[in-house]
Amino acid sequence: DAGVTQSPTHLIKTRGQQVTLRCSPKSGHDTVSWYQQALGQGPQFIFQYYEEEERQRGNFPDRFSGHQFPNYSSELNVNALLLGDSALYLCASSSGGTGYEQYFGPGTRLTVT
Amino acid sequence: GQSLEQPSEVTAVEGAIVQINCTYQTSGFYGLSWYQQHDGGAPTFLSYNALDGLEETGRFSSFLSRSDSYGYLLLQELQMKDSASYFCAVKDLDDKIIFGKGTRLHILP
Repeated sequence: DAGVTQSPTHLIKTRGQQVTLRCSPKSGHDTVSWYQQALGQGPQFIFQYYEEEERQRGNFPDRFSGHQFPNYSSELNVNALLLGDSALYLCASSSGGTGYEQYFGPGTRLTVT
Repeated sequence: GQSLEQPSEVTAVEGAIVQINCTYQTSGFYGLSWYQQHDGGAPTFLSYNALDGLEETGRFSSFLSRSDSYGYLLLQELQMKDSASYFCAVKDLDDKIIFGKGTRLHILP
């Protein structure tokens, strides 16, 4: 049973560039949530996708956007990268649009220089 | 504002019992979840409480009191591998998922 997978593992970008991160949910899950985690902090909710629509959104600017595909996989796009966007980006999957029991992927470590 | 409060660090001895508390202030509440995260790893789901009371899963138990906006995670028979950060998380009425800042658990031999 495949768990949540994310790609790439690490990424280095320059300020102003754009980045796309990818996530495949755990088998049987249809809901994907994205989080940003700074070192020593808890995950910060970016948004959740269910039925190919953004259902909820945290306090992140419009530079952060996403997409969910019919196979439930998802992408997170960040435009006009800032130094402060450097963080671990986590994808979590769950079922039925809920977020009570989430399974996290290993994350993508994004460094903006 | 919405917030979850948990101690930043807790230290306990191997084989002992430790309790990690979490108080929350959110616009509505569906339930309280707990996650464990080892250094360099991803959070892993431990438990979820929607109703008041104690839920037990092996060495780990989680408690919720909705009237007190309070919950805790209880870890028994501590092992060195339990050294990690522990996060409480809630889903509010806007369906936003909010995590606490985490409690770093140090275990002494």
